[in-house]
Amino acid sequence: GAVVSQHPSRVICKSGTSVKIECRSLDFQATTMFWYRQFPKQSLMLMATSNEGSKATYEQGVEKDKFLINHASLTLSTLTVTSAHPEDSSFYICSARIPGQTPYEQYFGPGTRLTVT
Amino acid sequence: LAKTTQPISMDSYEGQEVNITCSHNNIATNDYITWYQQFPSQGPRFIIQGYKTKVTNEVASLFIPADRKSSTLSLPRVSLSDTAVYYCLVGLSGAGSYQLTFGKGTKLSVIP
Repeated sequence: GAVVSQHPSRVICKSGTSVKIECRSLDFQATTMFWYRQFPKQSLMLMATSNEGSKATYEQGVEKDKFLINHASLTLSTLTVTSAHPEDSSFYICSARIPGQTPYEQYFGPGTRLTVT
Repeated sequence: LAKTTQPISMDSYEGQEVNITCSHNNIATNDYITWYQQFPSQGPRFIIQGYKTKVTNEVASLFIPADRKSSTLSLPRVSLSDTAVYYCLVGLSGAGSYQLTFGKGTKLSVIP
């Protein structure tokens, strides 16, 4: 149980275009999902907290107009990178927490490798 | 959230027990200690979580002394497949957000 999927696993796009990444909790409902970014050989950086039915909460320094997050259902959150640039190339990972579980026990998706050319 | 300090890297031979210690001097009374494992190009995987004393599951043990200012993740008889980065996280579930703040982690290399 507690499986989180992401789609696509890899995406290459041209500079200036937009890319949408989906995060799904397959066997549980997640009222809260999280989006992280990880650059090569670095740790994960939290970008935003996605709450079902409400606006996402962005971390300081993350542009909310560039990284659009939608959490329309209890099993799906999407991250759209708008007007992507090469510096947005990174590994994007989502996670979800099962309501009622112990704190900090979160389930991560496999990640999406974004390359902007 | 409490700040954590852990070794940047460790090497171990196959079959040995590996202990990775994390320091968290300013841990709060209600903070939990959680460890994650991450393989290259994959999302982190929850390993174990504890509050005090000792916790054991099918993959690891977590030892927490009485003052809770440090904790040790113990991996019994490691294999090559345990080569990964291990993250120690300490924090409180505040206001329902349950944010995770990852430090630099410990890169464990298992040698044949």
